[in-house]
Amino acid sequence: DTGVSQDPRHKITKRGQNVTFRCDPISEHNRLYWYRQTLGQGPEFLTYFQNEAQLEKSRLLSDRFSAERPKGSFSTLEIQRTEQGDSAMYLCASSWTRDRETQYFGPGTRLLVL
Amino acid sequence: LAKTTQPISMDSYEGQEVNITCSHNNIATNDYITWYQQFPSQGPRFIIQGYKTKVTNEVASLFIPADRKSSTLSLPRVSLSDTAVYYCLVGDVYGGATNKLIFGTGTLLAVQP
Repeated sequence: DTGVSQDPRHKITKRGQNVTFRCDPISEHNRLYWYRQTLGQGPEFLTYFQNEAQLEKSRLLSDRFSAERPKGSFSTLEIQRTEQGDSAMYLCASSWTRDRETQYFGPGTRLLVL
Repeated sequence: LAKTTQPISMDSYEGQEVNITCSHNNIATNDYITWYQQFPSQGPRFIIQGYKTKVTNEVASLFIPADRKSSTLSLPRVSLSDTAVYYCLVGDVYGGATNKLIFGTGTLLAVQP
């Protein structure tokens, strides 16, 4: 297994456009997390899935954000009507809850909203 | 979730041992201590995790005193490639409603030749 992958790695968009990011977790992992990171700060939790169920969403996740994980495999994070404040690195992590849980992060998608 | 406090930055030279201390006065009984490393434009990478006393792996050692209110990440003989931000986190890693990670601003370790 090659770890958590994210696509695209970089995205530049104009304000008001919609963007969608994809995360492919480590194959046997049942939990998937999305985080957002701005410059100079640590990652901030956005939402997480256990299998296909979205179990928690942060207040950071406004109604312009939506995340899905159909069939409990890959996940998508969509941002509608992007704003300049959405510019950040969007990180995905996955984990397996059977034993002591360790989250493994992907390389992230860097979003720039012009 | 327990709040952590760690130095904003540290400087070192190649070949030295580096110790980064993290304070977590409100750590709960079920909480573990986990350290992540992050290079620019990459996701955080798990380094080490422990509950008490000492844990060692091929990358680092983690020292946790008996009261568990602090922990120290020890990196032996650092190299330039160890320049990164290091995050200390505490939380229950055996389930619960969510194990979302709460990151602080981390410690920027700068290793010089």
